[in-house]
Amino acid sequence: KNEVEQSPQNLTAQEGEFITINCSYSVGISALHWLQQHPGGGIVSLFMLSSGKKKHGRLIATINIQEKHSSLHITASHPRDSAVYICAVSFTTGGSEKLVFGKGTKLTVNP
Amino acid sequence: ETGVTQSPTHLIKTRGQQVTLRCSSQSGHNTVSWYQQALGQGPQFIFQYYREEENGRGNFPPRFSGLQFPNYSSELNVNALELDDSALYLCASSFARLAGGYRETQYFGPGTRLLVL
Repeated sequence: KNEVEQSPQNLTAQEGEFITINCSYSVGISALHWLQQHPGGGIVSLFMLSSGKKKHGRLIATINIQEKHSSLHITASHPRDSAVYICAVSFTTGGSEKLVFGKGTKLTVNP
Repeated sequence: ETGVTQSPTHLIKTRGQQVTLRCSSQSGHNTVSWYQQALGQGPQFIFQYYREEENGRGNFPPRFSGLQFPNYSSELNVNALELDDSALYLCASSFARLAGGYRETQYFGPGTRLLVL
């Protein structure tokens, strides 16, 4: 069974701070996803990665396959970054794809 | 290019009733996944449809069923509703070529919030 653990559960930061959210998983995966969910429910896919590092604007995602660990970094954080950030992993079993989600990290960025 | 849409946005049902939720996938996508998100929890994978066939299922009972149509839109049906079925139901579409092991990022719809009384 693949477990996805995120830390921290809650994070409060001041505007401009560098933020790191961590994700660990327990079995081999085909890809790892970082998602952003705002109050009201809408989910936006930020990154899908299977190795290395990806960058989009102020967001950076890294993954270490050997250590089964990924991090999401936000540089120069802003109050509009306040949201729940969810890590999810996808893996295939018997040709079928399954996704397992972490419980999310609630980020609050204060002005 | 239109995004992923879901209908209805909100729904109230009573225990024992049946419900159908709908999802229109983004143009060019052939895969739809459904998720249930209870309040304060991360989403749970219900199932995925690829080119009209179920391609993977999470730990949900058979009263959760689905369909994918030739235009790749999809329905989620839940029979014999229970109070614990109250949740946000999310669908996500993507493009995949399973034979080659190729999958692209999933794009999520806004969700349907279901309340079972």
